[in-house]
Amino acid sequence: GNSVTQMEGPVTLSEEAFLTINCTYTATGYPSLFWYVQYPGEGLQLLLKATKADDKGSNKGFEATYRKETTSFHLEKGSVQVSDSAVYFCALSHSNSGAGSYQLTFGKGTKLSVIP
Amino acid sequence: DTEVTQTPKHLVMGMTNKKSLKCEQHMGHRAMYWYKQKAKKPPELMFVYSYEKLSINESVPSRFSPECPNSSLLNLHLHALQPEDSALYLCASSQDGAGLYGYTFGSGTRLTVV
Repeated sequence: GNSVTQMEGPVTLSEEAFLTINCTYTATGYPSLFWYVQYPGEGLQLLLKATKADDKGSNKGFEATYRKETTSFHLEKGSVQVSDSAVYFCALSHSNSGAGSYQLTFGKGTKLSVIP
Repeated sequence: DTEVTQTPKHLVMGMTNKKSLKCEQHMGHRAMYWYKQKAKKPPELMFVYSYEKLSINESVPSRFSPECPNSSLLNLHLHALQPEDSALYLCASSQDGAGLYGYTFGSGTRLTVV
């Protein structure tokens, strides 16, 4: 089946530290991969995406590269800020077999806290 | 307009009530979704309308019923809910049925069943 495994937090970092959140996936075919961020009390915001192998998604200093050989899509940021404190979800888009539609399947989420 | 708008933002309802959640987008997206998110958990898919065809997560109880009056509007009708149905209900849309360009989420309706 299709699934996403991401490192479970919480992760606590000091401001300006380097961030890595690991994400690996299991999928049939060639899924699109996403990172979403959820701030407290809010919905999900698309952070970045990649639609094929070796694509690099980037946004707001965050990056992730679609690695087909290791089935990974790790999120990185060189210098985190307090405002980056949120929950981060890795997700893949795949087809509902036989239903003719697609859906997002999420990892369990990683809570990041950045302290000054 | 690049948003998915959900109303109401908060809803408290009794177990005998009937209520509806509303979701609207004007981006011309052809697929819309309902997700349920419990506290400290990832969102779980409930329903998909893709090109006006409904797909159902078969684990969703019949007390939830979706309706898609047109390609811009998605409703979720609620009746006889249980306290365990209390959650954040998220609506999303995607430009194409495969979500290649990403999914846009609304800010959600926080539902409390008393």
